Amino acid sequence: AQSVTQPDIHITVSEGASLELRCNYSYGATPYLFWYVQSPGQGLQLLLKYFSGDTLVQGIKGFEAEFKRSQSSFNLRKPSVHWSDAAEYFCAAFSTGNQFYFGTGTSLTVIP
Amino acid sequence: DAGVIQSPRHEVTEMGQEVTLRCKPISGHDYLFWYRQTMMRGLELLIYFNNNVPIDDSGMPEDRFSAKMPNASFSNLKIQPSEPRDSAVYFCASSQYSLYTEAFFGQGTRLTVV
Repeated sequence: AQSVTQPDIHITVSEGASLELRCNYSYGATPYLFWYVQSPGQGLQLLLKYFSGDTLVQGIKGFEAEFKRSQSSFNLRKPSVHWSDAAEYFCAAFSTGNQFYFGTGTSLTVIP
Repeated sequence: DAGVIQSPRHEVTEMGQEVTLRCKPISGHDYLFWYRQTMMRGLELLIYFNNNVPIDDSGMPEDRFSAKMPNASFSNLKIQPSEPRDSAVYFCASSQYSLYTEAFFGQGTRLTVV
């Protein structure tokens, strides 16, 4: 079955530290991949997306993600986390079956 | 454009009552999506429309749920009768041209059924 997996339910990092949020997908072909961020009480905002081409994609707010076909992964990274990055992060994939699947989300806490 | 607008932001209703959630997509967007978010199940796609036509409603949990899009600038999601297990945050999103271009989300409606 097609799915998107975010193994980490919750991550805590110190402000200024680097961040990596994991995302794995299970599809027959390479899906279109997305990372969204949800601040408390807000809707989802797109951080970045991958359709094809360069496997390292840059997004807003200093985020980047790398598509690794061999690992079926699309991990989100940021070199230095700011307190305002505390939020819920969702990985999502669109498949050729016209379905948009979201992962269960990773909650990020940033400590001073 | 003001983005995707959902109303109300919060809704508290009694079990058995009809609930109507409303959405105004971004002007010019061809696709409209309704999602439900719960702690247990995460984000679930309930139904989506293309050019006001429902394309896939396989995510609608039961016949108690229905959604319509009478025109390009409005959609509603109805639950009748509502049940406590329907309590969730319901998001509307819209996108332009296709399913896999960026989807813009509204701020959601937090529904509580008591």
